[in-house]
Amino acid sequence: QKEVEQNSGPLSVPEGAIASLNCTYSDRGSQSFFWYRQYSGKSPELIMFIYSNGDKEDGRFTAQLNKASQYVSLLIRDSQPSDSATYLCAAGGSQGNLIFGKGTKLSVKP
Amino acid sequence: DVKVTQSSRYLVKRTGEKVFLECVQDMDHENMFWYRQDPGLGLRLIYFSYDVKMKEKGDIPEGYSVSREKKERFSLILESASTNQTSMYLCASSGPGEAEAFFGQGTRLTVV
Repeated sequence: QKEVEQNSGPLSVPEGAIASLNCTYSDRGSQSFFWYRQYSGKSPELIMFIYSNGDKEDGRFTAQLNKASQYVSLLIRDSQPSDSATYLCAAGGSQGNLIFGKGTKLSVKP
Repeated sequence: DVKVTQSSRYLVKRTGEKVFLECVQDMDHENMFWYRQDPGLGLRLIYFSYDVKMKEKGDIPEGYSVSREKKERFSLILESASTNQTSMYLCASSGPGEAEAFFGQGTRLTVV
């Protein structure tokens, strides 16, 4: 069974701090990785994707991929209360579907 | 902007009813998916489809069926609704390969 594992949290950080979210995946054949943000009662929205080893930055967000360790992370710099949400990690599956983790709940305290 | 639209935001149905959840996407995407999301269980894939009239079972297909007669429309059918099918249902679409999925707004279904 192909899996994506995330710590469920909650992860609590103070406003202005760096939030670090982590994820591991089991399928070495996965080529693409995604981070979604989901506010309570809403549907997931894509915030980052990464295909290559290393870092990818987009504004306050940095995605990191290490295929050798089968590890993906998301860093959120200068965290804001509006970043409080559940963050879902997903890995590409062999059939074109995405395999989702159960999500990490992030709480940013003012 | 990619638009994935689900026919209902909230739905209340009775046990034993046949329930149709409709999803339409406007990006000419090949792939379409139905998930359900429950607290503590995350997103679970029910069915997906690569193309018109094609369907594949996901992780939890029991009690559900799907229909894809047109590329832009993917329907989820609960043949005989049961209370354990009370959940948030999310439709998504994506392009070919391991592409990002775009989600509809979700349908919160309650079966009483």
